[in-house]
Amino acid sequence: DTGVSQNPRHKITKRGQNVTFRCDPISEHNRLYWYRQTLGQGPEFLTYFQNEAQLEKSRLLSDRFSAERPKGSFSTLEIQRTEQGDSAMYLCASSQTQRARKFFGPGTRLTVL
Amino acid sequence: DAKTTQPPSMDCAEGRAANLPCNHSTISGNEYVYWYRQIHSQGPQYIIHGLKNNETNEMASLIITEDRKSSTLILPHATLRDTAVYYCIVRNMNYGGSQGNLIFGKGTKLSVKP
Repeated sequence: DTGVSQNPRHKITKRGQNVTFRCDPISEHNRLYWYRQTLGQGPEFLTYFQNEAQLEKSRLLSDRFSAERPKGSFSTLEIQRTEQGDSAMYLCASSQTQRARKFFGPGTRLTVL
Repeated sequence: DAKTTQPPSMDCAEGRAANLPCNHSTISGNEYVYWYRQIHSQGPQYIIHGLKNNETNEMASLIITEDRKSSTLILPHATLRDTAVYYCIVRNMNYGGSQGNLIFGKGTKLSVKP
């Protein structure tokens, strides 16, 4: 399978803990995006990378959130000191260029107790 | 903010055409209309996109009105596996950054019934 993969698929954590999610994009795609989706809403843009450079961050991305893409391949999204409001599906997408269609992964569902 | 308006839900009989409308009355000349769908517990999946002309691919057809203020996604022979939330998105292809990204609304929940 050469699609976008995300791990873990589900994460349950207690409030105040740190969590980290991983996204492996399609191998030749240099653009990687993170979105967040809460119940009943469409996905909301969080941040994106072109190769290893993080080019834009949404105001939704508070200072408790950090994303990296160290070698321009896989990416990690870390949430520090999780809050119940962080409970959501975190989606990763990749594309070959800015204009190309985006391919989404299956998402990581985070539940903060 | 999403620039599109879609009905929250629609039903369609299996084997019939599903016609999903979308209003985008404030669309500008360099904005494309994109459609994605999201099957339950999966990430969104690209369906089709267009600028002015009608488009067709193996999944669907996209009909854009002449004034470009609305469009319709057509699934010619809906199956149970087409049950999903369908998102209509307008996207500016000429800008980098978040302006070139996808801004999702709430979409239309299509239920295909046997």
